[in-house]
Amino acid sequence: DSGVTQTPKHLITATGQRVTLRCSPRSGDLSVYWYQQSLDQGLQFLIQYYNGEERAKGNILERFSAQQFPDLHSELNLSSLELGDSALYFCASSVGGTAYNSPLHFGNGTRLTVT
Amino acid sequence: AQKITQTQPGMFVQEKEAVTLDCTYDTSDQSYGLFWYKQPSSGEMIFLIYQGSYDEQNATEGRYSLNFQKARKSANLVISASQLGDSAMYFCAMREALLFSGGYNKLIFGAGTRLAVHP
Repeated sequence: DSGVTQTPKHLITATGQRVTLRCSPRSGDLSVYWYQQSLDQGLQFLIQYYNGEERAKGNILERFSAQQFPDLHSELNLSSLELGDSALYFCASSVGGTAYNSPLHFGNGTRLTVT
Repeated sequence: AQKITQTQPGMFVQEKEAVTLDCTYDTSDQSYGLFWYKQPSSGEMIFLIYQGSYDEQNATEGRYSLNFQKARKSANLVISASQLGDSAMYFCAMREALLFSGGYNKLIFGAGTRLAVHP
């Protein structure tokens, strides 16, 4: 058990809808990262937050947004969903945001299916 | 730009034998970390082993070891005495220090190698 909690585990929704994925980092971890894993794109970095502030942005679509709250949990909002957004979405956390020797600890992911 | 290459889409190994999963990387940073993760069919991402760019000795964690060749920019994972439970997808990943850009740095992943352990 990595200590990172993601909910829900599975989400099935229709095109055009909006969903919210939730992540609670490991106790003591200040950084939260979101990744998308799809069959054709592999693991893609979306966005990183550190202690409530956005710190790095990857290939995140404008339809997607995220935030990290004062209690350090994070939410990833996906709107105007398309079939291609179907993927496994991971949240990960680490102690700091800058230590290159610090592994990321991943949650079990949220599997999103857009129909 | 940083890049991770895993050239073996799939590998298979007999139970109890050793297997090497290849990983090469590209970075212009002098300070970086290399990681291996395991993803079983159940989907979770499990951290296995870490190697720092300044580490002179190869990292080991139980049956996992990392064959780090800095000049060749390779960081191969060696799994000794393979077990059926080792069947999974394995990802090599890298994190740069980015000391001159605030240091907030993501982990980038290779495409992965699917390992099948046969009895």
